[in-house]
Amino acid sequence: AQKVTQAQTEISVVEKEDVTLDCVYETRDTTYYLFWYKQPPSGELVFLIRRNSFDEQNEISGRYSWNFQKSTSSFNFTITASQVVDSAVYFCALSEEAAGNKLTFGGGTRVLVKP
Amino acid sequence: EAGVAQSPRYKIIEKRQSVAFWCNPISGHATLYWYQQILGQGPKLLIQFQNNGVVDDSQLPKDRFSAERLKGVDSTLKIQPAKLEDSAVYLCASSQRVTGLGNTIYFGEGSWLTVV
Repeated sequence: AQKVTQAQTEISVVEKEDVTLDCVYETRDTTYYLFWYKQPPSGELVFLIRRNSFDEQNEISGRYSWNFQKSTSSFNFTITASQVVDSAVYFCALSEEAAGNKLTFGGGTRVLVKP
Repeated sequence: EAGVAQSPRYKIIEKRQSVAFWCNPISGHATLYWYQQILGQGPKLLIQFQNNGVVDDSQLPKDRFSAERLKGVDSTLKIQPAKLEDSAVYLCASSQRVTGLGNTIYFGEGSWLTVV
């Protein structure tokens, strides 16, 4: 069974600090996808990034970067130079190709960026 | 490109009443999902449609929840009769396909249900 764990329930930082969100997953499938979503107070889940199990290349997209390590089943996400607008709940999610693209979410990490 | 549309945004009902939520996915997306998100938790899948057929409804409480996607486009989720524990945000989502490129799932703003 697939499982996603976000050990951090809440992180508080001051604006311009970097913040890293941890995500650990469990899966028996060899083909799977990992996602990060942002949920601001309005409630909509906003897609941020997607990675497949065959691509461990870590990238930077604007102020976002991620570190995917299959050896430790981790998919961490970093916001560089945080801004107040980054305040939201961030969810890590996993989908297994064999399970028909069903997303399993972690419990979420609330990020509070103070001015 | 228009996103996933949902209505109503907010609904308050008494227990044992019924409620229906509507969803229109992103144009061209064959797969539609309904997720339930209880406050403080991550979303959980209720039902997944591929066009107008059900792919997965294993987590749908079928004694009170029902969903349909008759023409393979928009969808309705109904709860009857509602219980207090049904208070949650009901998120509709869609994706182009279920594998490979195009399997990213995009979510609507959600329908917030409070059962009193």
